[in-house]
Amino acid sequence: QQQVKQSPQSLIVQKGGISIINCAYENTAFDYFPWYQQFPGKGPALLIAIRPDVSEKKEGRFTISFNKSAKQFSLHIMDSQPGDSATYFCAASMRSGNEKLTFGTGTRLTIIP
Amino acid sequence: GAVVSQHPSWVICKSGTSVKIECRSLDFQATTMFWYRQFPKQSLMLMATSNEGSKATYEQGVEKDKFLINHASLTLSTLTVTSAHPEDSSFYICSARGGQGTLYQETQYFGPGTRLLVL
Repeated sequence: QQQVKQSPQSLIVQKGGISIINCAYENTAFDYFPWYQQFPGKGPALLIAIRPDVSEKKEGRFTISFNKSAKQFSLHIMDSQPGDSATYFCAASMRSGNEKLTFGTGTRLTIIP
Repeated sequence: GAVVSQHPSWVICKSGTSVKIECRSLDFQATTMFWYRQFPKQSLMLMATSNEGSKATYEQGVEKDKFLINHASLTLSTLTVTSAHPEDSSFYICSARGGQGTLYQETQYFGPGTRLLVL
């Protein structure tokens, strides 16, 4: 019930291409869905987040698409650059309760020239 | 805004000694702080949640007496790994969240992590 499933585990995309990472959740009480970017040896950094009242949110080259009925959300990175190479984690939490973040398993993204 | 620091960034200690890791929110008051552990190429595992002035809430399977957490002020939380053993070697990351009604209430802001190696 608390799991967030993330795919793929690893992804290789050519520079300039679109990187797509998918997440699915089961707990319908989740109402906050952030994406974090983590570089090796560093802590995760908040990239972009969405709430279920909208189906899409865009910030620069990063877009979250949210499908409430399917309980799925995805991160799209447009015009992917070598500097985007990192591990990406999706997460979910509830505004009420203890608001712990439930993390996906992570996607290691590599952008090749 | 929303900067969280950790100190030290890495530490090497002998087996049986205790190690203290500090987590500070530099530009906001953190009502709640979280401590995570991360193994190589794995996701973050929540160890405990602490609210300022209260006892920490530990996740199932995390030893309270081994991982002592103190959240004495709105900007500082500490994690002490007591009687450390090689299996405690890991990457420890804290995060902080502001109180309700504040700009930083919505999500967790993470520190840079502390790498612990127990010999």
